[in-house]
Amino acid sequence: DTEVTQTPKHLVMGMTNKKSLKCEQHMGHRAMYWYKQKAKKPPELMFVYSYEKLSINESVPSRFSPECPNSSLLNLHLHALQPEDSALYLCASSSDLYSFALAGGRGSYEQYFGPGTRLTVT
Amino acid sequence: RKEVEQDPGPFNVPEGATVAFNCTYSNSASQSFFWYRQDCRKEPKLLMSVYSSGNEDGRFTAQLNRASQYISLLIRDSKLSDSATYLCVVNPNYGQNFVFGPGTRLSVLP
Repeated sequence: DTEVTQTPKHLVMGMTNKKSLKCEQHMGHRAMYWYKQKAKKPPELMFVYSYEKLSINESVPSRFSPECPNSSLLNLHLHALQPEDSALYLCASSSDLYSFALAGGRGSYEQYFGPGTRLTVT
Repeated sequence: RKEVEQDPGPFNVPEGATVAFNCTYSNSASQSFFWYRQDCRKEPKLLMSVYSSGNEDGRFTAQLNRASQYISLLIRDSKLSDSATYLCVVNPNYGQNFVFGPGTRLSVLP
């Protein structure tokens, strides 16, 4: 099973609201990612969690707050967003470097994406 | 120079045609390479991984040229359902940072 699930599918929020995006995977992956994608552009990396610890933060504004409660779940908490934050937010997971190296570089190291949450900030 | 560059496109080809996309990367230490396809308003879906000198999966062939730092994707006998944006993704040094190219849009016409 290579499924990553995300909820909600669509979200409309005002600039003063607080909301959360959720992501779940059951592939045993220990690396999870948040991406932001605007129309006609490639996904843009926001955060990476490896073994439930934040390993990469691509200088994302603090109005986006990630959380990794356990190895299967990844949340993105949203507060005081701006209209320009409207985008498709994608979650992804992959095997981690340590597991891949232990396997001698064999096996799967690809990212698998969830269907995304289409966010509109009004 | 951008880390990953792709043919700008769009490519408009008739059904049954063969089409090739190119992707170049700047980090010579890059180890893993992937092709994803993305349909409009959907998530990227893995098409192929390219780990060594290249591989084939049905109508799709991916090639890797480490010396010239480019990856190619060949699609034979194009189908209408192949219409999508094709994203080249490079993973430098097995890190957690997967770098996306800008994508190449393909439209297969009846």
